[in-house]
Amino acid sequence: EVQVVESGGGLVKPGGSLRLSCVVSGFSFSRYWMSWVRQAPGKGLQWVANIREDGGAKQFAGSLKGRFTISRDNAENSVYLEINGLRDEDTAVYYCARDLPNGYFDVWGKGTTVTVSS
Amino acid sequence: DIQMTQSPSTLSASVGDRVTITCRASQSIINRLAWYQQKPGKAPQLLIYQASTLQRGVPSRFSGSGFGTEFTLTISSLQPDDFATYYCQEYNCCKIFGGGTKVEIK
Repeated sequence: EVQVVESGGGLVKPGGSLRLSCVVSGFSFSRYWMSWVRQAPGKGLQWVANIREDGGAKQFAGSLKGRFTISRDNAENSVYLEINGLRDEDTAVYYCARDLPNGYFDVWGKGTTVTVSS
Repeated sequence: DIQMTQSPSTLSASVGDRVTITCRASQSIINRLAWYQQKPGKAPQLLIYQASTLQRGVPSRFSGSGFGTEFTLTISSLQPDDFATYYCQEYNCCKIFGGGTKVEIK
């Protein structure tokens, strides 16, 4: 069974940092790009970043470059998203998703919630 | 950046209705478009990719069409399980999602 499980969300003060984790099982993790997609409360979906199978290439949404870092550990079947300088507008559910070669997402986790508030 | 515009933003329909949702791109994305269904509190689920290819396991009442800048998602006969929000997503450029269309019970 394919599973994608995110963790690491929580309540963080503005300016703080957070590292989100995503562990997958049920498919050959090292053969796929992986993405993070977020959804602010009551809003639509926003792609955040993705990372190549070997971790050698990374892409970020244009508006989000600089504060976000994506990494992966293929030995642990895990992908990570680090967010620095958290802002109110980063409050969202963050989903981890399998990113197929063409660029759409066929497997999603249930998400982890990040709340930025003082 | 490409902009993806969905219409309508909300759609009221009854079980059995034929429903059509439109997604327009600000520039050509060829056929590099996907559709997702999302229910409250749940992750999105892929319905269609490459504008018209049904994802495995998705009921045949869902269909997609379009090329270039205008695309449609059609549900041929709305079922109770289909009341949800639908998003289009382009993957020709920047993985931009449309704003969503909520299909609610009339």
